[in-house]
Amino acid sequence: AQSVAQPEDQVNVAEGNPLTVKCTYSVSGNPYLFWYVQYPNRGLQFLLKYITGDNLVKGSYGFEAEFNKSQTSFHLKKPSALVSDSALYFCAVRDMGVSGNNRLAFGKGNQVVVIP
Amino acid sequence: DTGVSQDPRHKITKRGQNVTFRCDPISEHNRLYWYRQTLGQGPEFLTYFQNEAQLEKSRLLSDRFSAERPKGSFSTLEIQRTEQGDSAMYLCASSEDGSNQPQHFGDGTRLSIL
Repeated sequence: AQSVAQPEDQVNVAEGNPLTVKCTYSVSGNPYLFWYVQYPNRGLQFLLKYITGDNLVKGSYGFEAEFNKSQTSFHLKKPSALVSDSALYFCAVRDMGVSGNNRLAFGKGNQVVVIP
Repeated sequence: DTGVSQDPRHKITKRGQNVTFRCDPISEHNRLYWYRQTLGQGPEFLTYFQNEAQLEKSRLLSDRFSAERPKGSFSTLEIQRTEQGDSAMYLCASSEDGSNQPQHFGDGTRLSIL
């Protein structure tokens, strides 16, 4: 089965500083990778995806992610963090099931705290 | 695009009771997924529908769980004889056809078993 790992529990960053949330993946074949953000008591909001093409993927709210095949990583980045970016971030990989099931396998999530 | 809607948002019930949750996907989305999320963990896949057909179920889905999508639109997830371990957030997601389409999630139903 495909899987992702998010090695850090919490990421603390000062407002205005660059933000990086790490994700590594383990797949057979080509990876389909996603980042989602979750605010308290809410569902997951889609940020961006990598399917193929450019290794740098741009997404919503100023986020981007860099796909690195040699390091099997897909780190999420934002050049200048905002206090409103404080949330739980999930990396996910498509774990293809039967009959076209594009189920997602998620990491355990990273809590991001942006300090004013 | 009104987004994925789930009802209720919260459900508190006693152990042994039956509960049913509803999910209304984005209207043009043929694919519908249910996930379960426990505290401190990422969501885990439960089951998948393509239109009205339930095509795959996770082994997490014991025989106390049943899901339907009778007309290929809204879906229901029922848990019979609830247990303490069923306490979790139940998330519904939908997507368009296509292997690279992102899934869009509702705000979930938080189930608490007393």
